Amino acid sequence: EPEVTQTPSHQVTQMGQEVILRCVPISNHLYFYWYRQILGQKVEFLVSFYNNEISEKSEIFDDQFSVERPDGSNFTLKIRSTKLEDSAMYFCASSEAGWNTGELFFGEGSRLTVL
Amino acid sequence: AQTVTQSQPEMSVQEAETVTLSCTYDTSESNYYLFWYKQPPSRQMILVIRQEAYKQQNATENRFSVNFQKAAKSFSLKISDSQLGDTAMYFCASINTGTASKLTFGTGTRLQVTL
Repeated sequence: EPEVTQTPSHQVTQMGQEVILRCVPISNHLYFYWYRQILGQKVEFLVSFYNNEISEKSEIFDDQFSVERPDGSNFTLKIRSTKLEDSAMYFCASSEAGWNTGELFFGEGSRLTVL
Repeated sequence: AQTVTQSQPEMSVQEAETVTLSCTYDTSESNYYLFWYKQPPSRQMILVIRQEAYKQQNATENRFSVNFQKAAKSFSLKISDSQLGDTAMYFCASINTGTASKLTFGTGTRLQVTL
């Protein structure tokens, strides 16, 4: 069964460093998302992406964050200068149909620890 | 703005018994979807069941069913004949149709199925 895969599963970085989290969505999906979950808190929407551009982003997704789909298969989230509060589990998701149906397929997550 | 509230951080049920997980939500929109997602330990979050707000009939997927009370803005999940594999974190989520691409999640309920 096709699934969304994420790498790395866990990354530890120093504050101020750049981090790239990678995701391979399901191959025939057209809509891509990043969510995050700070330990003990809600899963929060970061950004949605369709047709090679951002469709919607939350207030969390500031200038330190960027996304791209460089080669038609990977979908990456970059954090330019990490802060302590960026420590969280980051989930990539994809969907075949429009986001209105909400049927997203999630990866296992990448745990980011900023020291 | 949408909010989703899960008031039960943890629950436990014996195998073969029935358990109900609670969820309330708040939205000013008339058209929306509601979801229950399941996240087993160290696994991907997967969709369990979906309910369209305009449908009065409660959604059912095998042993999983919902009690959708639109006026009360309540959306509980019932798991019948609980199995050990149902042990997971369960997230209630909502999305407004036609206006946004983001799922709004609750904080989750950790369900433990015991022998």
